[in-house]
Amino acid sequence: QSALTQPASVSGSPGQSITISCTGTSSDVGSYNLVSWYQQHPGKAPKLMIYEVSKRPSGVSNRFSGSKSGNTASLTISGLQAEDEADYYCCSYAGSSILYVFGTGTKVTVL
Amino acid sequence: EVQLVESGGGLIQPGGSLRLSCAASGFTVSSNYMSWVRQAPGKGLEWVSVIYSGGSTYYADSVKGRFTISRDNSKNTLYLQMNSLRAEDTAVYYCARGYPVGAFFDYWGQGTLVTVSS
Repeated sequence: QSALTQPASVSGSPGQSITISCTGTSSDVGSYNLVSWYQQHPGKAPKLMIYEVSKRPSGVSNRFSGSKSGNTASLTISGLQAEDEADYYCCSYAGSSILYVFGTGTKVTVL
Repeated sequence: EVQLVESGGGLIQPGGSLRLSCAASGFTVSSNYMSWVRQAPGKGLEWVSVIYSGGSTYYADSVKGRFTISRDNSKNTLYLQMNSLRAEDTAVYYCARGYPVGAFFDYWGQGTLVTVSS
């Protein structure tokens, strides 16, 4: 099972919006509305930001939103802030044998 | 408050064995789906293994036959027994609580580093 494909890096200025894509296949992203997104600051554990494609856990800013079309999921960060600079990973359920597959990760830089 | 604290990492020679522990508080390990996720230095996240509340276990192909996930209900602790370790197993290992219906990980430990090297 190959990792989901994400751009290596995305950047934006404070206040702007950016979108990170996460491309899988019809066996994972395309088959299940079970995509989640994680934020990871250097040296820290990942933090859940989005689950079930577009739902936000309690405490996560509404500047973070998720969507999905076909085999590609997306994470949008609006009103970009310095604290959003981190690595972001998508993850999808991939069925009863593979179970979970993560994305390759995207480094977000706030210019 | 939910907390996960990993321990047991360290430097081990290729072919060796190591057991990682993840002590949980604020919830019951046996009632939840618990996973191990690893991250090689400078690399992305890789799901390793899960144990369901019913006791079923699953593994990534990369560790199948070498790693064993288990739990001790009396200690509310999750384990990962790692045998026949290889250089490519070098990583920070995180335990994470999984939410079964939505297939996501809502709480993560701080991680423990395993280095496989001679």
